[in-house]
Amino acid sequence: SQELEQSPQSLIVQEGKNLTINCTSSKTLYGLYWYKQKYGEGLIFLMMLQKGGEEKSHEKITAKLDEKKQQSSLHITASQPSHAGIYLCGAVKVSNAGNMLTFGGGTRLMVKP
Amino acid sequence: DSGVTQTPKHLITATGQRVTLRCSPRSGDLSVYWYQQSLDQGLQFLIQYYNGEERAKGNILERFSAQQFPDLHSELNLSSLELGDSALYFCASSVATLTSGRARGEQFFGPGTRLTVL
Repeated sequence: SQELEQSPQSLIVQEGKNLTINCTSSKTLYGLYWYKQKYGEGLIFLMMLQKGGEEKSHEKITAKLDEKKQQSSLHITASQPSHAGIYLCGAVKVSNAGNMLTFGGGTRLMVKP
Repeated sequence: DSGVTQTPKHLITATGQRVTLRCSPRSGDLSVYWYQQSLDQGLQFLIQYYNGEERAKGNILERFSAQQFPDLHSELNLSSLELGDSALYFCASSVATLTSGRARGEQFFGPGTRLTVL
């Protein structure tokens, strides 16, 4: 089954610092989603990466997909308190029961003002 | 606001009871997905419907069932509830379905229903 490992599990950074969150798959990655979740709330879609080597940016968040390494990274530049939350990566899993998204365990980010 | 609505927001019930969670997808979205999020299991896919038909099944217990109606809203029924069923239940919707190993369209999540079983 698709296993997604996120690292680190939690992260505390000073406002203004850069940070990177990694998502590594035990299987070939055909596509990857990044979501952000505030505690107890719904997931907010950030980015979807479909091809190896693809890189997308939105405001101060950049995500890359390395299919060979079966890994994706999420980089936040000049972090702000508004970036705090739980970041989740999700990947498509193909099975006899249908295609579905499986998610990593999440990375909890705190940004200290 | 993702455009996906879920009701109720909170639900407190007792063991052995049955509850129904409701989801209205974004306008134009044909796919509805249900997820369960708990502290120990993380975010787990339960089931997907596409235009009224079941399309994919994940870690859904036999005590749970779902359906998607002609107006595309969906309901998740949870019966014979146990303490361990306490969790956040999310509904998500997308325009298309995951038709291959390649990502096909983002899923938009609702705000969730927090179920507490006492």
